[in-house]
Amino acid sequence: GAGVSQSPSNKVTEKGKDVELRCDPISGHTALYWYRQSLGQGLEFLIYFQGNSAPDKSGLPSDRFSAERTGGSVSTLTIQRTQQEDSAVYLCASSQDYSQPQHFGDGTRLSIL
Amino acid sequence: AQSVTQLDSQVPVFEEAPVELRCNYSSSVSVYLFWYVQYPNQGLQLLLKYLSGSTLVKGINGFEAEFNKSQTSFHLRKPSVHISDTAEYFCAVIGGSGTYKYIFGTGTRLKVLA
Repeated sequence: GAGVSQSPSNKVTEKGKDVELRCDPISGHTALYWYRQSLGQGLEFLIYFQGNSAPDKSGLPSDRFSAERTGGSVSTLTIQRTQQEDSAVYLCASSQDYSQPQHFGDGTRLSIL
Repeated sequence: AQSVTQLDSQVPVFEEAPVELRCNYSSSVSVYLFWYVQYPNQGLQLLLKYLSGSTLVKGINGFEAEFNKSQTSFHLRKPSVHISDTAEYFCAVIGGSGTYKYIFGTGTRLKVLA
């Protein structure tokens, strides 16, 4: 079946521009996570959605970062006024619920010039 | 706060030799533990998981891990590695009251040498 789909796969933009990253989770998965993977830094948790509950935004690094999940399915991560330190691979994962293994997308490689 | 420590950033090992990748976590409550693998230029995939029950869990590709509550460890082992096991391995923990946040370690790069 279809896995987690992320788009775009690569994004190059100028410093100061806004970007939107999209995640289509596996159908029926109620939990959705966003992570940031920087070289040598492992995976940094950004935000977690579980069903209709309020998201856990405790990992968002600044107020330039926001995310939403519409209809309990597709999620969009938005970064406003991008900075060079935002360059990283942004990963999305979904799972049936928080205790179950996560299924990861291939990520969006974001490069800020 | 929970944390996950993978002390070895890189582990070189010869083909057919055994390997152990170490993972320690800090938590005062019950946790769920996972190992994920990321092969070169690929996404992360689950290797194995511990939710409850037997402390020795077996995963894909001949890997296994043992949950040791007293030592708060979840080390990953394989008795004989192949070149194809070259990848980055991440330990992750989730649990604790009120949090559903996965905490990942910084990863261990396993390089299998011919």
